[in-house]
Parts: sequence; C-alpha cells; structure tokens
Amino acid sequence: EAQVTQNPRYLITVTGKKLTVTCSQNMNHEYMSWYRQDPGLGLRQIYYSMNVEVTDKGDVPEGYKVSRKEKRNFPLILESPSPNQTSLYFCASSLRTSPDTQYFGPGTRLTVL
Amino acid sequence: AQRVTQPEKLLSVFKGAPVELKCNYSYSGSPELFWYVQYSRQRLQLLLRHISRESIKGFTADLNKGETSFHLKKPFAQEEDSAMYYCALQYNFNKFYFGSGTKLNVKP
Repeated sequence: EAQVTQNPRYLITVTGKKLTVTCSQNMNHEYMSWYRQDPGLGLRQIYYSMNVEVTDKGDVPEGYKVSRKEKRNFPLILESPSPNQTSLYFCASSLRTSPDTQYFGPGTRLTVL
Repeated sequence: AQRVTQPEKLLSVFKGAPVELKCNYSYSGSPELFWYVQYSRQRLQLLLRHISRESIKGFTADLNKGETSFHLKKPFAQEEDSAMYYCALQYNFNKFYFGSGTKLNVKP
C-alpha cells in the first residue's frame, strides 16, 4: 500500500534528551516535508526536502535538524528537545512540487517534559 | 509575509444547507492554493486545488485575487462532510503555509 509512515506515533521524553522521529514513503516521491501542528496555529512547516541531499528551512526550523540520505526517508531530529517543542508532528511527501498533492503521515504526538 | 486566515474555528450547518468555509490569504506573488480535509480518524488528505478547477465531492473553490480569497463551497451539505478543513498556500515554489482550520459539523 502506498503510504507515508511515521515512528513513533507517541513519544514522551524529557528536556535535552536527543530524539529522532522517522518518516518513510514508498511512492518514490521527490519532495518531503515536516510540519508541526499546535492548537490555533494550524500546520507550520519545519523543513522540507526537494530530493536526496537537498533540504531547506521552512517557517519554524529552530531546534530541529533533518537529513535526506535516501529518497524514501526523511528523519526529523531534535538534538536537545525543550517543552516548547511539545506538539503534533506530520510528515508529508509529494511526487513533485509546484504544485502537487501532498500525502500525509498519521502524525507523531510528542511531549517534552 | 505570507499568511492564510480561516476566520471560523467551527461551522455548524444542517444537512442539505449550503456551506461556505472561508479562506483569505496574503501573498505578494502568484498564489497556488489548496483545500485539505481531515475526516475523523483519517489522515489529512487533499480535497482540491485551485489550479485544477475541479469539483470534488460536490465542493468547489474559486480563487478571487481581488479579495485574496479561496472560499470552499458546497450547495447541499451532507453528514459525511463533517471534518476539519484546512486551506493551504504554496509559496516560493517549495514552501507551504496552512491555515488554522475550520471544523465543519453537519447536523442531521
């Protein structure tokens, strides 16, 4: 089944403990993106990737890192999580950009204590 | 700065009534606009995009550059239309900005 998967789906951690949220797609999509969703703010783009080894900042990149070593994977890394990064995170992919349908993952609910 | 505003957090209508979900944007370039929908326990998914000028599930949306709006409309709402609706703006080719969403509740 063509889809975007994220792991873990739920995570509770403590301030400063490095974590990685994985995102994988099996549709050979070039474009991948990470969003965070907070109450009343909608989805805000964190980072995106046009293709392997090509990444760029979205609206709210501070405190996050990404990498795109393979086309199918786009992990989100929080080197030193803080409570203000408690949020619902979505990964999405698109065959191309300009413009094209984004396919979303199920979301990862992260709580940083 | 680019922005998308969805002024209504919640919109309740009765089945068979017309529905209009508002979306206003601000962007100095040529906008590419989308409506995404999230049904209960499902993933966020594309409903329609303005470039396609299509009607999906009876919904249409017209880009009004003068009013900088991209309102989503349906003449006769159905109960299965109850969901969260997000308006999204694609800008600078690769970036996206989503509105805060409107929850549509269609009452029987």
